[in-house]
Amino acid sequence: ILNVEQSPQSLHVQEGDSTNFTCSFPSSNFYALHWYRWETAKSPKALFVMTLNGDEKKKGRISATLNTKEGYSYLYIKGSQPEDSATYLCEGGRRALTFGSGTRLQVQP
Amino acid sequence: DTEVTQTPKHLVMGMTNKKSLKCEQHMGHRAMYWYKQKAKKPPELMFVYSYEKLSINESVPSRFSPECPNSSLLNLHLHALQPEDSALYLCASSQEPRSGSGELFFGEGSRLTVL
Repeated sequence: ILNVEQSPQSLHVQEGDSTNFTCSFPSSNFYALHWYRWETAKSPKALFVMTLNGDEKKKGRISATLNTKEGYSYLYIKGSQPEDSATYLCEGGRRALTFGSGTRLQVQP
Repeated sequence: DTEVTQTPKHLVMGMTNKKSLKCEQHMGHRAMYWYKQKAKKPPELMFVYSYEKLSINESVPSRFSPECPNSSLLNLHLHALQPEDSALYLCASSQEPRSGSGELFFGEGSRLTVL
């Protein structure tokens, strides 16, 4: 992997479902990995910053893990709610300020 | 105040026009950034200002001209743009230039359409 890649590109789930998505990045020369949440017509907002292999961060129903050796981070949402609908971006890996294309999550009531 | 304010929210311009996008933050941040984002693509870094000096230009065409008049303001001057320059332009700031793990604070973006 040369760039930051996110999958899936989009996701539709029902309210109450738990879901997860992936950010992959070059594993060499790891710097830091940021997750952002971007609601439509608003500005992206930082969720987590992760710097150490094995890091786990949690904020309410949202959590993230980091594996720098294999070059991926997972974002988990437990019991999705309609207000979780947003695009989730990751940034960083080897090179700061480099973003993935995002995962667009839609939670149906 | 933890906001980054961008104006205008929407801009339509012809290929011969000269216009500017403006970005403002009052958080005392010393680094400011311009990103360009096209639909379903990642935000692409254009310029970085650190302590009011241009530190990164990601080989952006000269029809885009950034300016940082002071530590709170960042402008992007636009001249002789092409239709393919139509995109969402995002401004961001961070407390220090990105050598640590500090987060980016974003504005809501300026949606530019070039006719």
